[in-house]
Parts: sequence; structure tokens; C-alpha cells
Amino acid sequence: AQSVTQPDARVTVSEGASLQLRCKYSSSVTPYLFWYVQYPRQGLQLLLKYYSGDPVVQGVNGFEAEFSKSNSSFHLRKASVHWSDSAVYFCAVSPYGGSGNKLIFGTGTLLSVKP
Amino acid sequence: NAGVIQTPRHKVTGKGQEATLWCEPISGHSAVFWYRQTIVQGLEFLTYFRNQAPIDDSGMPKERFSAQMPNQSHSTLKIQSTQPQDSAVYLCASSLLGGPYEQYFGPGTRLTVL
Repeated sequence: AQSVTQPDARVTVSEGASLQLRCKYSSSVTPYLFWYVQYPRQGLQLLLKYYSGDPVVQGVNGFEAEFSKSNSSFHLRKASVHWSDSAVYFCAVSPYGGSGNKLIFGTGTLLSVKP
Repeated sequence: NAGVIQTPRHKVTGKGQEATLWCEPISGHSAVFWYRQTIVQGLEFLTYFRNQAPIDDSGMPKERFSAQMPNQSHSTLKIQSTQPQDSAVYLCASSLLGGPYEQYFGPGTRLTVL
């Protein structure tokens, strides 16, 4: 069965520092991969997605992620975080690929940015 | 574009009462999904409609939970005889079909069962 692991439940960084949030997936085929962000009392917002091609994908607000097939990973990065980036970040896979398929989510990483 | 609309945003029910949650997908989106979010279980898939037809309900609890999509503009999730363990945020999402399209989420309905 497909699964997603986010090993870090909480990450704290200082404003202006770089960031990496880790995500590993388990799937028999290369799935479609997503990062979503959730601000307090809001729904999920898409940061970026990977379907195929260039393993480094760019997202909104300066976020990027790198897909590694050999490591089954899809880590999220940002060069310089802002206090407004404080939120919960979810990695998700669509195990069968394509649209119209359910998402399997990791447990999320709570990012706290210190001023 | 108003995004995915979910009503109500908050609902409080007594144990044993019925709760109906509403979702209006983005216009033109033919896929509608329901998820449940709790602290303990995280984000769980419940059910999925494609062109209003139920496709996958593998995440739905076998008893008391049902979902419908009577037309392309709304879907409902009904929970009969609510129990305290049903307390959660219920999220609805929609997407286009026919390509690798991402899902857009509504703000969720927070259900509290007393």
C-alpha cells in the first residue's frame, strides 16, 4: 500500500534562514506528488506539484521541491523563510497518478518561524 | 472564482443526532472528494465522486456515514447518530478531470459532537 512519511512533526527556524521539510513516499510506481500548506482554521492550499520531467519543481512564495526516485523522496525547500510561512505543511501522493484519484497525506510538519 | 464552498463552517450536535455537511465544488470541476482531519488520524480520504457518480468510498465508515452528489453543483456528507469520535474537520475538494490536475480544498466544516 502507498504511504507518505514526514519524519519531522515540528520544525523551528529563524526568519531569513533556509528551510527543508522532508517527505518520503512508498509506492510501487512513481506517483504524483504534492505539497500543501494549511494555515490556522483554513483549508489546504497547494504549494507545488510534481508529475514528471525536471525533478526540481517551483511553487508559490519561493518554495521548491526536489523529487528523487532513488530515495523515494520529495523534500520541500525554501531559501529564506518569512514569519508568515508559519503553518502546517503536508506532503501528499496520488498513488495511481492522474486526476480524479484520492490523495494520501503524510502526518504534516508544523513550521514555526522565529522573528 | 469563489473556490470550494463548504457549509456550515461549524456544527455542534448532540450524541445521536444527525449531521449534514454541504459542499459546492468549483464550477466546471467534475471530481469531488471528501476527507476527514483529526489530530489523531490526520487527513483521511473518505469518498470520491466523478461526474456525480460515486467512484470510491473505501474510506467511508461502513455505518452511519453516507455521501451523495445529486447534481454537479453540490455534494452532501451525512452522518447519522453522531458519536463523539465523529468530531473532526471535514474537508471537501474538487478538481478537473482529464489530466494531472490538483485538488482544490474548501475551508472545511468543523463538526463537534457533544
